[in-house]
Amino acid sequence: QVQLVQSGAEVKKPGASVKVSCKTSGYTFTSYGITWVRQAPGQGLEWMGWISAYNGNTNYAQKFQGRVTMTTDTSTSTAYMELRSLGSDDTAVYYCARAPVAVAGTDFDYWGQGTLVTVSS
Amino acid sequence: QSVLTQPPSASGTPGQRGTISCSGSSSNIGSNYVYWYQQLPGTAPKLLIYRNNQRPSGVPDRFSGSKSGTSASLAISGLRSEDEADYYCAAWDDSLSGPVFGGGTKLTVL
Repeated sequence: QVQLVQSGAEVKKPGASVKVSCKTSGYTFTSYGITWVRQAPGQGLEWMGWISAYNGNTNYAQKFQGRVTMTTDTSTSTAYMELRSLGSDDTAVYYCARAPVAVAGTDFDYWGQGTLVTVSS
Repeated sequence: QSVLTQPPSASGTPGQRGTISCSGSSSNIGSNYVYWYQQLPGTAPKLLIYRNNQRPSGVPDRFSGSKSGTSASLAISGLRSEDEADYYCAAWDDSLSGPVFGGGTKLTVL
C-alpha cells in the first residue's frame, strides 16, 4: 500500500532552518511528484511547492521562492523540504503528498501524517 | 485571504443533504478542474473528489462534486456524524502557476 512517512516534530529558533523528510513506499517513486502543503494552527491549507521525482524539476509558490528548497533521493524514495530563515509565522504542520510527475497539479492522492514545526525563541 | 472562497461553516442533521460552495475566478475554477479534500480532526487531508466530480476508490457515493462557471459545490447526501470534518476546495490557478485552496468549511452534523 502507498505510504508517506514524515520525520518527527521540530522546534527551531527564529532565523534557523528546518529540513523535513518524507519517506515513501508502495509505489514507483520516480513515476510521481511530491508536493508540500502547510497548515498553521487553526488555519487552512497553503501550497508551498512541488518537485518531480522523475527529473527533479521544481515549482515553488512565489511566497517561498528563495527560502525553500525541495529535493529527492531516488535511492531511498525520500523527498525533502528545507525552509530557511524561519519566523514565528512558519509555525505549522507541514505535509507532503503524492502529486503528478510532470506538473505540480492539484491531484494529491496520498498524504504523509504531517510534521509539526514550531518556531520559538 | 484565500484565493477560493468557502463559507467558514456549514451544518446539517443526520440523514439530511449538506452542500458546501466554493467560489473562484476565470483563472482557477473557470478554466481548471476542482478538487475537494476532507480533513478529519487531527488528521491529514484526504482526497475526496477529483476532476470536478470523480470519486477516488473507497469514497462513498454519498459524496458528489459539481462545477459551473467559476463556482463549484460539494454535496453530501445522508449526513452522518463521521462526516464532521473540514472540507477544502482546490484548483490550479493559471495566473499564479500553482494550486490554490479555499479557506475551508467546518461541517457540523448536529
